[in-house]
Amino acid sequence: DIQMTQSPSTLSASVGDRVTITCRASQSISDWLAWYQQKPGKAPKLLIYKASSLESGVPSRFSGSGSGTEFTLTISSLQPDDFATYYCQQYNNYLRRFGPGTRVEIK
Amino acid sequence: EVQLLESGGGLVQPGGSQRLSCEASGFTFRSYAMSWVRQTPGKGLEWVSSISGSADTTYYSDSVEGRFTISRDISKNTVYLQMNSLRVEDTAIYYCAKLPNSGAYASYFDYWGQGTLVTVSS
Repeated sequence: DIQMTQSPSTLSASVGDRVTITCRASQSISDWLAWYQQKPGKAPKLLIYKASSLESGVPSRFSGSGSGTEFTLTISSLQPDDFATYYCQQYNNYLRRFGPGTRVEIK
Repeated sequence: EVQLLESGGGLVQPGGSQRLSCEASGFTFRSYAMSWVRQTPGKGLEWVSSISGSADTTYYSDSVEGRFTISRDISKNTVYLQMNSLRVEDTAIYYCAKLPNSGAYASYFDYWGQGTLVTVSS
């Protein structure tokens, strides 16, 4: 069973900052990784799939990288709309586990 | 525009049953697999079950296998989650989610509904 971890659990940043969130898998998942953004009271929204493919309509300030067991989500210049919780999700097998989330809050 | 509208949540006693529905629109329903994902403050996001576009393949998490049943009605563009033998730990917001392909084995979720709250309590 593949376990997912994320770091940090909470991140304080300012508008305009470059932000990086790390997701690690307990075993190799190739590039079968997705990233989601969730705001309070709302459903998750897909940002990135296959580790680095940007979902249609998602701003280009979001990017993903990595393969194997270590992945990153980068926001190149944090905008007010980006303060939210971010989750990674592996889909290397049918159990498709999510990471525990990283909350991005205003500094 | 893809829309997923869940219904059927509410308060149910431990050991009871509940059926969730998710009505889909804005895409060719039979061509895409569908899933249920739940979220709790303590355990975060947890995939529950998936069903293929043709409804011939289903998958379940270990925590609900044997208690929950996923199904779909193509004529109604609706996917269901029948939940039996409910436990306190099944309390969660249940989201309906669309997969980007017809197969249900392993994928991400490209669209989500707004969720329906299921509370299991005496």
